[in-house]
Amino acid sequence: AQSVTQLDSQVPVFEEAPVELRCNYSSSVSVYLFWYVQYPNQGLQLLLKYLSGSTLVKGINGFEAEFNKSQTSFHLRKPSVHISDTAEYFCAVSGGGYQKVTFGTGTKLQVIP
Amino acid sequence: DGGITQSPKYLFRKEGQNVTLSCEQNLNHDAMYWYRQDPGQGLRLIYYSQIVNDFQKGDIAEGYSVSREKKESFPLTVTSAQKNPTAFYLCASSDRGRGSTDTQYFGPGTRLTVL
Repeated sequence: AQSVTQLDSQVPVFEEAPVELRCNYSSSVSVYLFWYVQYPNQGLQLLLKYLSGSTLVKGINGFEAEFNKSQTSFHLRKPSVHISDTAEYFCAVSGGGYQKVTFGTGTKLQVIP
Repeated sequence: DGGITQSPKYLFRKEGQNVTLSCEQNLNHDAMYWYRQDPGQGLRLIYYSQIVNDFQKGDIAEGYSVSREKKESFPLTVTSAQKNPTAFYLCASSDRGRGSTDTQYFGPGTRLTVL
């Protein structure tokens, strides 16, 4: 069985400040990890994914995430946020192949001007 | 451009009526999924299909039905048996299979409101 925990349901941050959105997972097999972004009334868009190799993954819109196997975490970071980053962010885990993808409950990022 | 389309974007239904939500993909993906999204609950899996003419129940399949007659299409019917159907519905697809990374790609969603 696998699960994903997004520790913060809402994160307010001032524009141009750094942000970290936290994600912890549990899985009994090797994992693939994903971050998606959802703007209001839209579908989910893939931000980045960790499949293997380098633990630091860079994605679109200046976001990056670090896979930490010992802490079973995959936190999302951005050094300087913009108003346009206001959205909901979802972390997800998969065992690959025919394994189910499990999504977290989401973190709403509110960027304050 | 490859992608997933869902229609309609907004849908209103009277209690007791069945409605069908459309999902089409031209990504040549084998697997397709339907999720329901409610505030604060993330995404919950309704049904999924790994291949044409085959589908499985997800975590909250009661009151829903699907079909998969073509690789490109995976319509979802919300039946009158679904007690609380008002929600945002998302369709996704992935190139699932042995050795795949199972990256899911999403459509724009359909917001269903029961009046």
